[in-house]
Amino acid sequence: DIQMTQSPSTLSASVGDKITITCRASDSTSSWLAWYQQKPGNAPKLLIYEASRLESGVPSRFSGSGAGTDFTLTISSLQPEDVATYYCQQYESYAVFSFGPGTKVDIK
Amino acid sequence: QVQLVESGGGVVRPGGSMSLSCEGSGFTFKNYGIHWVRQAPGKGLEWVAFTRYDGSSKYYADSVKGRFTVSRDNSRNTLYLRMNSLRADDTGFYYCAKDRGIFGVIPTALDVWGKGTPVTVTS
Repeated sequence: DIQMTQSPSTLSASVGDKITITCRASDSTSSWLAWYQQKPGNAPKLLIYEASRLESGVPSRFSGSGAGTDFTLTISSLQPEDVATYYCQQYESYAVFSFGPGTKVDIK
Repeated sequence: QVQLVESGGGVVRPGGSMSLSCEGSGFTFKNYGIHWVRQAPGKGLEWVAFTRYDGSSKYYADSVKGRFTVSRDNSRNTLYLRMNSLRADDTGFYYCAKDRGIFGVIPTALDVWGKGTPVTVTS
């Protein structure tokens, strides 16, 4: 099974900062990777699919990049409403999906 | 609007059984695969199961294989999760989520999520 790791596990930044979250897979997932945002008390929300494609309705300050085993989620200008936990998820191994452990983002 | 609504959660004793339902609306339910994902209290997301749009293929996480069964009734726009031999570590919030791919042969990203239903396994 493909295992996913994320770094950092927590991140604190100021409004307007550019932040980057890294996701690493134990084996290649090609570009079959998604990013989700989960705000406290809410269901997750899809942000990015196929590593870099922005889901409809998601602000353009979110972007994704990477392929193979190393991926990043970037927020170009952090906003107060971006306080959330962010998860990556691989779907290359379709018999068994796997999520990363999450990165908690808050405002300094 | 596109919506998924879960129901059926509650409290059950270890070793017991429970069935969850997920009703879809605002989209052509029979054209999309649907997933179950769970989240233990204070923990991350764990994918549980997937059924293809026509129910012909089903996939399960190792942690639930042999105990959980996913099924769907496209005439009722409803997905089900039958959970047997429940354990304390099955406790959590259970979400159903729509696969992004139409008539997808293989699962992809999850683009619409329900609000979830809580399951508590305790003696």
